[in-house]
Amino acid sequence: AQKITQTQPGMFVQEKEAVTLDCTYDTSDPSYGLFWYKQPSSGEMIFLIYQGSYDQQNATEGRYSLNFQKARKSANLVISASQLGDSAMYFCAMREMNTGFQKLVFGTGTRLLVSP
Amino acid sequence: DTEVTQTPKHLVMGMTNKKSLKCEQHMGHRAMYWYKQKAKKPPELMFVYSYEKLSINESVPSRFSPECPNSSLLNLHLHALQPEDSALYLCASSLSPRETEAFFGQGTRLTVV
Repeated sequence: AQKITQTQPGMFVQEKEAVTLDCTYDTSDPSYGLFWYKQPSSGEMIFLIYQGSYDQQNATEGRYSLNFQKARKSANLVISASQLGDSAMYFCAMREMNTGFQKLVFGTGTRLLVSP
Repeated sequence: DTEVTQTPKHLVMGMTNKKSLKCEQHMGHRAMYWYKQKAKKPPELMFVYSYEKLSINESVPSRFSPECPNSSLLNLHLHALQPEDSALYLCASSLSPRETEAFFGQGTRLTVV
């Protein structure tokens, strides 16, 4: 069974600073995908970034980058130049294949608070 | 258009009521999902539809009944729910049921009284 671990229940960062949200995973599948989602208080899960297990380069999307360390089984999210609007819950997720269909298995999340 | 639209946004229902949640996407995605998220917990998968066919049912009680009338629309019919079913119900879609990212709607906050 696959497992996602987010050890930081909450993180604080000052506006304009960078912050790293930790995620470790456990899987025996050679092919897997890792995702980060942002969930504001409104409830919507907003897709941020994706890393495939065979991708050679770390994924980047604007201010978001994924620090993928395959040997350590970690996929940390780095947010550069934090903004007040980044305050939200952040979930790391892994794609699990079930009889040929994908499902996302989520970690417990990290609540990020950005202060002025 | 990368939007998944869910209605209603909020729903309060009694334990004897019948209600439905609706999810719509016009991105040409052929896989659609229902997730349930209890307060302060991560989302958990309930159902997967692939090409309008139910592909995965994660042992969900029969008081939840999904329906996919066409490739753009996904419903979740609710009947005889319990207070512990109160949660945020999230719909998602992906281009294919195999290996692409899923886009989520805003969710329906359901309260069962």
